[in-house]
Amino acid sequence: SQQGEEDPQALSIQEGENATMNCSYKTSINNLQWYRQNSGRGLVHLILIRSNEREKHSGRLRVTLDTSKKSSSLLITASRAADTASYFCATDARAGGTSYGKLTFGQGTILTVHP
Amino acid sequence: DAMVIQNPRYQVTQFGKPVTLSCSQTLNHNVMYWYQQKSSQAPKLLFHYYDKDFNNEADTPDNFQSRRPNTSFCFLDIRSPGLGDAAMYLCATSGPGPYQPQHFGDGTRLSIL
Repeated sequence: SQQGEEDPQALSIQEGENATMNCSYKTSINNLQWYRQNSGRGLVHLILIRSNEREKHSGRLRVTLDTSKKSSSLLITASRAADTASYFCATDARAGGTSYGKLTFGQGTILTVHP
Repeated sequence: DAMVIQNPRYQVTQFGKPVTLSCSQTLNHNVMYWYQQKSSQAPKLLFHYYDKDFNNEADTPDNFQSRRPNTSFCFLDIRSPGLGDAAMYLCATSGPGPYQPQHFGDGTRLSIL
């Protein structure tokens, strides 16, 4: 299965601290994406990193990708209470010639940021 | 402005009674996806459309069907819901191209009585 595994399953930190979540996957990918899901809501796309990229930044987010280890990490710096949510990595391993992606999601990390 | 809209947000149906969930989009995206997400689990892809081409995942139960009458709308039909079908159903869209994110609606929470 392509499904990614995330670690830790749950993370509890204080506001202002950094949060790091890790994701591992099993086969070759086209790209890897991170999504946030607030309780009872849909998923919100955070960042996409291509298979030939090693690091990407967006605001307080930093994503790394190591294709040799088939792993990725998401770092949220200076966390806020509003960052409390579930975070999912998703891998896009499209078949050759396909112009769009199908995502396989990891199990997610539940992040709680205490004020 | 909402770009992927799912109706209703909450749906209650009886065991075995057919139910239809709807999704609409204002993004004019070619690709639309339906996911099932059970409590504390990852979203699981059920099927997707590229334009009108329908693609079923191998392990999607036969009980689940979908229709896409036009670019903007997509429906998920559950013919005879069982208790195990209680879940959040998420609709998503994406444009074609190699590096496109998916845009999700807020989901429909389906309960089976």
